[in-house]
Amino acid sequence: TQLLEQSPQFLSIQEGENLTVYCNSSSVFSSLQWYRQEPGEGPVLLVTVVTGGEVKKLKRLTFQFGDARKDSSLHITAAQPGDTGLYLCAGGETSYDKVIFGPGTSLSVIP
Amino acid sequence: DAGVTQSPTHLIKTRGQQVTLRCSPKSGHDTVSWYQQALGQGPQFIFQYYEEEERQRGNFPDRFSGHQFPNYSSELNVNALLLGDSALYLCASSLGQGGSYTFGSGTRLTVV
Repeated sequence: TQLLEQSPQFLSIQEGENLTVYCNSSSVFSSLQWYRQEPGEGPVLLVTVVTGGEVKKLKRLTFQFGDARKDSSLHITAAQPGDTGLYLCAGGETSYDKVIFGPGTSLSVIP
Repeated sequence: DAGVTQSPTHLIKTRGQQVTLRCSPKSGHDTVSWYQQALGQGPQFIFQYYEEEERQRGNFPDRFSGHQFPNYSSELNVNALLLGDSALYLCASSLGQGGSYTFGSGTRLTVV
């Protein structure tokens, strides 16, 4: 059974600080996606990582896919209040497999 | 270009009743996946529809059923509602089963 774990579960930081959240599994994934979800809304796709060891940058956000394609990390530099939300990782074992989600990391950035 | 549209946005039902939730996919998308998200948790996969057939199913009982229409829109039906079915139900559309997901804002179902 595929499972995705995320850590930490909750994170509260001051504006301007850096942070990293992690997504781990015992299974190999063909790709992993990161989403951000705000209260009362559906998740919004931030990035998809496909190749082991891949690093993608989206402004102040840096995403990395582990070499073995079992884990991923999201690093935010100089966090801003607008970064507040639930960060979810998701993926499937194959390109056409069902996409499963981790439990999420709830981030609060305090002005 | 409309994104994914879900209706209704909120719904209150009594235990034992039946409910139907609706989803219109993003223009150009042909695949619809349904998820259940309990408060404080990640979305749980219910099932996926492609070419009007259920292609994949998660670990949900037969009380959960669905349908996809020729115009790619989809319905999620839940029979014999339980209090534990209270959740945010999310619809995601994609182009093909392996495409990137676009989510709707969800339907908040409360069972009392």
